[in-house]
Amino acid sequence: RKEVEQDPGPFNVPEGATVAFNCTYSNSASQSFFWYRQDCRKEPKLLMSVYSSGNEDGRFTAQLNRASQYISLLIRDSKLSDSATYLCVVTLNTGGFKTIFGAGTRLFVKA
Amino acid sequence: DAEITQSPRHKITETGRQVTLACHQTWNHNNMFWYRQDLGHGLRLIHYSYGVQDTNKGEVSDGYSVSRSNTEDLPLTLESAASSQTSVYFCASSARDRGPQETQYFGPGTRLLVL
Repeated sequence: RKEVEQDPGPFNVPEGATVAFNCTYSNSASQSFFWYRQDCRKEPKLLMSVYSSGNEDGRFTAQLNRASQYISLLIRDSKLSDSATYLCVVTLNTGGFKTIFGAGTRLFVKA
Repeated sequence: DAEITQSPRHKITETGRQVTLACHQTWNHNNMFWYRQDLGHGLRLIHYSYGVQDTNKGEVSDGYSVSRSNTEDLPLTLESAASSQTSVYFCASSARDRGPQETQYFGPGTRLLVL
């Protein structure tokens, strides 16, 4: 089982739609959680951190469920510019510091 | 503006050759990382460094080496390139020493093809 698993998609949605991605992680000692965005042939960039109480940044909402070991990303009112791959990232401290990236979920938003 | 750069951006080499990929950051970050990204896999950590003269192996370090002689640079060397090392390589840096809340800033990537 992979340490961080994501549905690879692709998710094809029309503009204005709401779309949700889930990500599961296997290590209960995971400490920090993030969503990164990666455009085609570009580098990953931080989209948002995920806090225990859930957090929102404009059209984006991230949630964490420690009991079930998953995090989610909700995108409301999708824009064409949201088309990208969304990477789930988990950090844990195993004596040393370890950051694990999911393989990503591809999103296509169409007019 | 502070930034992180990689060179070359594209590289074609032959099996058995030694290749060095450069990474340079002007953020003055202590932490630097090298990842490779392949279809079907997330970013996989090759090597990382928490400061000058510090280097550590990641999960896919075989066949790669790094050195950290200053804060700004972490070159990645493929000792004897293999076709399995064809990949996109990303360098990243982060500010906080060994902390879990770090944000990693990535370079633009180097596309390496080993023939």
